[in-house]
This record gives sequence, structure tokens and C-alpha cells, in this order.
Amino acid sequence: DQQVKQNSPSLSVQEGRISILNCDYTNSMFDYFLWYKKYPAEGPTFLISISSIKDKNEDGRFTVFLNKSAKHLSLHIVPSQPGDSAVYFCAASGAGGAQKLVFGQGTRLTINP
Amino acid sequence: SQTIHQWPATLVQPVGSPLSLECTVEGTSNPNLYWYRQAAGRGLQLLFYSVGIGQISSEVPQNLSASRPQDRQFILSSKKLLLSDSGFYLCAWSSTNTEAFFGQGTRLTVV
Repeated sequence: DQQVKQNSPSLSVQEGRISILNCDYTNSMFDYFLWYKKYPAEGPTFLISISSIKDKNEDGRFTVFLNKSAKHLSLHIVPSQPGDSAVYFCAASGAGGAQKLVFGQGTRLTINP
Repeated sequence: SQTIHQWPATLVQPVGSPLSLECTVEGTSNPNLYWYRQAAGRGLQLLFYSVGIGQISSEVPQNLSASRPQDRQFILSSKKLLLSDSGFYLCAWSSTNTEAFFGQGTRLTVV
């Protein structure tokens, strides 16, 4: 049972444009959502998070949007840069009070010059 | 500042051999600790998590086990490795209701 889903395995965006990465979840008890970036052969690094009491959180070029009624969150990167090329994972936690993170399958983002 | 150490970085083991991967965290007390696995072309699957010494929750039935002998030490083990145990293993820690911080990972290849 995949509680967190990233339905796009890959995304290609031109440098300078906006990258939009999507994530859906099924468990309405999740109350904290995160995005991670991962390069090959390295551990994921934390990018940005959002609590369920908010619908938007912004940090520089990165903005996360949360739509609780649709059980959907998205990560916007603008402008996209070549260094943003990586695999992006969304994650959720808090279901039933549990602090463990449940991850999606990841989306490989490629920024083309 | 907090740091997490995970070793070894790469490991090649024959089928049927034992496994021990170690993870230690510095600079924090009573962290939540996690073992994740990323199989080829797949997402991050939670294997085990621990909220305290000796407290281990297993997320999926498998050929692996975990132990937490000390507050900031988390060990992933197997008595007999299978080919399907190959993957990229990640240790992580978190405090209450915060993001998790990951180690650099161990690439395990079972041959």
C-alpha cells in the first residue's frame, strides 16, 4: 500500500524555467510533509517542509504547496538551475502520532541548458 | 552540530554471508533512528525505526534485523544474505516532529 505517491518518474525542464514536482498521499492523518533532494550514491538532503496547518511555505527558489482536501502537495523550483538536476522525494509523517517518514518513489528532475 | 556516520560506504558480500552495518549519531540525545533501503530504480523503503534504546519497530518482513545497543547507535544485521538484499541502505535520525537527516549510505551488492 503506497501511502505517498509520486506518479511522474522523471521530469525534464529547461534552465531558467519553473520545475513543478507533484506528490499525492492517501492517509489523511499525515500532518507534516517534506521534500528531499538526492544525488546518486549519496544520502537524501532535506530541502523544505510544510505543516498541515499551512498551505504554502517558501524558501528562496523553493516553494511547497499543500492542498489537504485533494491530498496533494507540490514543489516549485524557480528559476531552475543545472545543479537542481537530481532525484526528488516527497515524504510525510505524523499518521497516528508516528514520527517515521513515509517516502514516495521519487522523481528524477533533469534541467537542460 | 549534529552529524551522522554510516559505514562502510560500499560492500560486496557473497550469498549466505552475514551482514552488519553500523550507524552512529553525534551531537544529539535520544534521537529517532531509521534504516531505509533504496532498491534499484525504486523509492526509499522504511525497514526499521527506533524511538529509544532497545526499541525497534520493523516495517516490512524481511531477512534483516536491527538493534540499538546505545542511544546513538543503530545497527542493521543479517545472518544470511540473499541476492534480493542488494541495494542502497540509508541510516537517518530525527528529533520530534522535525525533518530526518540522512547518512551517506551503504551500497550493498550481494553476489
